[in-house]
Amino acid sequence: AQTVTQSQPEMSVQEAETVTLSCTYDTSENNYYLFWYKQPPSRQMILVIRQEAYKQQNATENRFSVNFQKAAKSFSLKISDSQLGDTAMYFCAFLNQAGTALIFGKGTTLSVSS
Amino acid sequence: GAVVSQHPSWVICKSGTSVKIECRSLDFQATTMFWYRQFPKQSLMLMATSNEGSKATYEQGVEKDKFLINHASLTLSTLTVTSAHPEDSSFYICSARDSRGPFGRQPQHFGDGTRLSIL
Repeated sequence: AQTVTQSQPEMSVQEAETVTLSCTYDTSENNYYLFWYKQPPSRQMILVIRQEAYKQQNATENRFSVNFQKAAKSFSLKISDSQLGDTAMYFCAFLNQAGTALIFGKGTTLSVSS
Repeated sequence: GAVVSQHPSWVICKSGTSVKIECRSLDFQATTMFWYRQFPKQSLMLMATSNEGSKATYEQGVEKDKFLINHASLTLSTLTVTSAHPEDSSFYICSARDSRGPFGRQPQHFGDGTRLSIL
């Protein structure tokens, strides 16, 4: 069974600074998908970024980028130029190639202060 | 973009009543939908996978007679919490997998969730 581990329950950062959220996972599969979701206080689930395991290039979306280390089964999220609106809970998620349900980590609560 | 509508967004009811939550894909067909439960400041825990036209697949520990799931059409899945009790109070979120595109790359879209409070 696949598992997703987020070892940082809470993180804090100042506006305009950079922060990295860590995520590791365990799977015996070779092809799969990894995601970072953001859940602000409204509790809406917002997709931040997606990585396909067969792609070596790290995904980027504006201020958000990932460091995907397949051999180490690591998938960290870097947020550059942090903004107050980035304050939220962030979940790392795994999806196998069969496309069954997303498996979520426990989440990291990120607080951005001015 | 693709939208999933979840209704109601908040419901308060008395212990012993049944509550139905709807999850509807508005602009795409979803042969598969998922139901999650989330306690405050915790992660989303998968309750069940709902497949159109067939019985739902429940995760271990989830009572299927308690949480009835119906996926009668390609755009609608419902979760009914039967004889609800205070311990069923939680945040319930559905997601729908867009059936378009290669199987492994079909995006999942989330509803905005339902806050259920049982008095």
